[in-house]
Amino acid sequence: QVQLHLSGPGLVKPSQTLSLTCAISGDSVTSNTVAWNWIRQSPSRGLEWLGMTYYRSKWYNDYAPSVKSRISINPDTSKNQVSLQLNSVSPEDTAVYYCVRRRASYGLDVWGQGTTVTVSS
Amino acid sequence: DIVMTQSPPSLPVTPGEPASISCRSSQSLLHSNGYNYLDWYLQKPGQSPQLLIYWASSRASGVPDRFSGSASGTDFTLKISSVEAEDVGVYYCMQDLQTPRTFGQGTRLEIK
Repeated sequence: QVQLHLSGPGLVKPSQTLSLTCAISGDSVTSNTVAWNWIRQSPSRGLEWLGMTYYRSKWYNDYAPSVKSRISINPDTSKNQVSLQLNSVSPEDTAVYYCVRRRASYGLDVWGQGTTVTVSS
Repeated sequence: DIVMTQSPPSLPVTPGEPASISCRSSQSLLHSNGYNYLDWYLQKPGQSPQLLIYWASSRASGVPDRFSGSASGTDFTLKISSVEAEDVGVYYCMQDLQTPRTFGQGTRLEIK
């Protein structure tokens, strides 16, 4: 059974960097049939896809244009996890953040538990 | 970006009755492989979203067969043949064809 466990600070100050880690169990971050996504949810913006990373003989990233200048999603093969970094945050980045697996084109089939991140001084 | 528009925003349903949720995309979601890249998700209260349907009409593993999806051009429909109490929550459609992936605003199903 695949499980995704998120960790990271729940409070980040404006202009600083939001950093979250998604630990993967039951699957491999280097699997060539999956992609590892980050999605967030807030009352004002609803569900918002931020980006993904996936391995197909080499690593690829795909980011939402709305955050492309501020986001970095990186795999850590030694720890079998994926990280999210979002720079220069503002209160608009306050949301519940999810790490989500996409298996081939068969939908987002495994979701982490979600972690609330608040941007406030 | 592809805009996903769902209706209705709220759907009160009597248990045992059918329910239908609509989703319209601003562009075609038809992939070259012949499938529409449209998913349906259910977010139960206090939980993360869960996958119900992918490719517009393929049920995900473990999803009861009372859930079905269909497509007609850029119009998509999720149907529940006989609503049960455990089906309450917010239903979302999502296009999985282009970056950025985009979601509908959600339809809240409640039991009458």
